[in-house]
Amino acid sequence: QSVLAQPPSVSEAPRQRVTISCSGSSSNIGNNPVNWYQQLPGKAPKLLIYYTDLLPSGVSDRFSGSKSGTSASLAISGLQSEDEADYYCAAWDDRLNGVVFGGGTKLTVL
Amino acid sequence: EVQLVESGGNLVQPGRSLRLSCTASGFTFGDYAMSWVRQAPGKGLEWVGLIRSKASGGTTEYAASVKGRFAISRDDSKSIAYLQMNRLQTEDTAMYYCTRAGLSALIDYWGQGTLVTVSS
Repeated sequence: QSVLAQPPSVSEAPRQRVTISCSGSSSNIGNNPVNWYQQLPGKAPKLLIYYTDLLPSGVSDRFSGSKSGTSASLAISGLQSEDEADYYCAAWDDRLNGVVFGGGTKLTVL
Repeated sequence: EVQLVESGGNLVQPGRSLRLSCTASGFTFGDYAMSWVRQAPGKGLEWVGLIRSKASGGTTEYAASVKGRFAISRDDSKSIAYLQMNRLQTEDTAMYYCTRAGLSALIDYWGQGTLVTVSS
């Protein structure tokens, strides 16, 4: 059981918008920033969003991040087939003194 | 360009030890904390631990699942981070990723991974 809770899967049609949630607690998301990672099939994860809502250089602005209380969200607009991947959220946990990940969400573009 | 290259993954018997190395380039290695993350076959990501920069004390933190068995160290003169894994168990079978820890100790760069298989 992952400390951060994500839906196992989401699906949406091309050109639509999808949101992936990440639920935590006061010791992690509630008190610390969140990163999001994209893992394409057979590849290493890649940073998608850092410090909750910042885009690394080179990442499409179709991706955005937000946080409210102890939950964070990743939104992907204008869905494309190449967005099919696993998405993970992560945050530092003050109680565990380490990084905690969500269980991952598999995105299918219909 | 930041590059992290892992090595040392192998097939090893339960109870044995293995050391992974991570050679870094493209940034001032000594200025950053480094961490390790693993991914069992078909499973999600699991943080293993980190080592802080010397300026931040060079201290380490570990996940409960590996504490007391795994140890992370660093050689700033060679830009290498290590993961010493002792008393390996079958459940330690995974792809092990070397990562750079950025803001709030969260990972900003990943290596390509090295596979560790623990089996008799």
